[in-house]
Amino acid sequence: SAVISQKPSRDICQRGTSLTIQCQVDSQVTMMFWYRQQPGQSLTLIATANQGSEATYESGFVIDKFPISRPNLTFSTLTVSNMSPEDSSIYLCSARIDNQPQHFGDGTRLSIL
Amino acid sequence: QKEVEQDPGPLSVPEGAIVSLNCTYSNSAFQYFMWYRQYSRKGPELLMYTYSSGNKEDGRFTAQVDKSSKYISLFIRDSQPSDSATYLCAMATLGRLYFGRGTQLTVWP
Repeated sequence: SAVISQKPSRDICQRGTSLTIQCQVDSQVTMMFWYRQQPGQSLTLIATANQGSEATYESGFVIDKFPISRPNLTFSTLTVSNMSPEDSSIYLCSARIDNQPQHFGDGTRLSIL
Repeated sequence: QKEVEQDPGPLSVPEGAIVSLNCTYSNSAFQYFMWYRQYSRKGPELLMYTYSSGNKEDGRFTAQVDKSSKYISLFIRDSQPSDSATYLCAMATLGRLYFGRGTQLTVWP
């Protein structure tokens, strides 16, 4: 099955700083997705990233706070900007591979002090 | 009303038990139905998916979809301690996934 790698796996950051999360897929994919998972809550889609175009953000998420890059068909980054304790969460990337349902990376566990 | 409802549990069963996990939904446009398994400190792992009403079996796992009742189930037979995880139902329409909150399952030896 497809391998999706995320880095870093976890981090502890100071409020007001920014962190960039990397997501690497072992095959070329058209669409990549970024989610947030908070304890006891369902996964929440942040944005969809297509190679060669601007990411599409869901309601409640803005590009200034969560800028996304998609430089090629196997890689994407999500930046969490100007972090506050409310941004403490697990951030997951996923991709649809070979028309299968989305596969996920293991996530980035982010804590903001 | 959330589009996908899932009882978060926790659910605790002895080894060998049959486990039933369920989700209901409100959006008739959902076309694909999935179950993901998520171990602690890991990402969701696709377990099963189907796009039609009825049953789909894979080893000890059976996924059931009833579109008329907007209800999906995952059955685990002969449950094992290694099945202890959080199980997430998910539904898709127009290329987008909608998740339940997940049910935390513990299978004790």
